[in-house]
Amino acid sequence: GNSVTQMEGPVTLSEEAFLTINCTYTATGYPSLFWYVQYPGEGLQLLLKATKADDKGSNKGFEATYRKETTSFHLEKGSVQVSDSAVYFCALEGTDSSYKLIFGSGTRLLVRP
Amino acid sequence: GAVVSQHPSRVICKSGTSVKIECRSLDFQATTMFWYRQFPKQSLMLMATSNEGSKATYEQGVEKDKFLINHASLTLSTLTVTSAHPEDSSFYICSARAGGTGRTEAFFGQGTRLTVV
Repeated sequence: GNSVTQMEGPVTLSEEAFLTINCTYTATGYPSLFWYVQYPGEGLQLLLKATKADDKGSNKGFEATYRKETTSFHLEKGSVQVSDSAVYFCALEGTDSSYKLIFGSGTRLLVRP
Repeated sequence: GAVVSQHPSRVICKSGTSVKIECRSLDFQATTMFWYRQFPKQSLMLMATSNEGSKATYEQGVEKDKFLINHASLTLSTLTVTSAHPEDSSFYICSARAGGTGRTEAFFGQGTRLTVV
């Protein structure tokens, strides 16, 4: 079945450091891939997405490229801010008609001033 | 983006009572709504999928008589936790997506923290 594997956190960085959060997936066909962010006590917000191989999703300085050959969708940001502290979830939506999202375990990011 | 409102944001109830959580799509018609449960510091576990006017489809291991889901209109779905027990304490999140052809984005509510005492 479909699954998503994310690097375990927490990830602690200093402000303006470079961020990478790894995400790999297992799925048949060409799923859509997503990164969601969850701030404390809140629901999830879509951060970025990519729907086909080699697509690059980007938003608020974050980027992720859909790599079919490595089944990966790593999240990157060149210079993190304190306000980026949150939990980040990688997710996929399979190619069936259920529209279910399968989430990774989440990675907590803490950015220190 | 579209808005999904979940209510209440926090609820404390006594063991044995039932609690209803509402999920509303405020500015679009949600053909499909999903209910998730999130344990502390863990990922979201899909509990069920509901389509407007149909019975919900529950994921394996989720008790449908325990977690009653109703999706009576295109803008409202409810999750009722019946005869709640402390182990039901969790963060419950709904998401909603519009219908139509092709894939549309799912929008999430802000979540409901349920504490059963």
